[in-house]
Amino acid sequence: GAGVSQTPSNKVTEKGKYVELRCDPISGHTALYWYRQSLGQGPEFLIYFQGTGAADDSGLPNDRFFAVRPEGSVSTLKIQRTERGDSAVYLCASSRQGRGANVLTFGAGSRLTVL
Amino acid sequence: AQSVTQPDIHITVSEGASLELRCNYSYGATPYLFWYVQSPGQGLQLLLKYFSGDTLVQGIKGFEAEFKRSQSSFNLRKPSVHWSDAAEYFCAVGAPSRDYKLSFGAGTTVTVRA
Repeated sequence: GAGVSQTPSNKVTEKGKYVELRCDPISGHTALYWYRQSLGQGPEFLIYFQGTGAADDSGLPNDRFFAVRPEGSVSTLKIQRTERGDSAVYLCASSRQGRGANVLTFGAGSRLTVL
Repeated sequence: AQSVTQPDIHITVSEGASLELRCNYSYGATPYLFWYVQSPGQGLQLLLKYFSGDTLVQGIKGFEAEFKRSQSSFNLRKPSVHWSDAAEYFCAVGAPSRDYKLSFGAGTTVTVRA
């Protein structure tokens, strides 16, 4: 597509529930990233995919968070047993390559609210 | 690990006036540097980037930034602000060896008054 597409744009859930957030990167972009932006803060890195594999998942806060990219295109960020502290905007970005003078293109984000 | 400080949380500027947003970074060598802008409900849009070479970088929408190694700064400037420049601005730094892992500042909100 023309840009990075994220769905849903808004998600409200209850504490303890499971959520999935989807990212459709720009066509032809092999690298995909997830960032999280809490209220009043800048985005924070979560995970980076090069193709189908997670090349760096060091930013995932704990084992309740997991992301997949099974066919090297669309990615899903999965959050189990959601907590109120998970409330944030989850941003997805993509780029043509994973290393060397990267320019990330971001989507509009998925706003997650955990009640 | 790299980090970014944006000292100004909020700046108000008159339309037509000049704008300067401050960004200070911490990194042991020359980093990759970026400025992004975020409007409500929109994704982060890249304004400009510095990888190497000329320390004065031109970007979109009439913005420019200057990399000053001695001051560890990468301040963003615009000579004449338009009402549409009201938004939140983020400075980001990346290590060249791992530039997918950007560290962002907390952002500066710019309000433009008529």
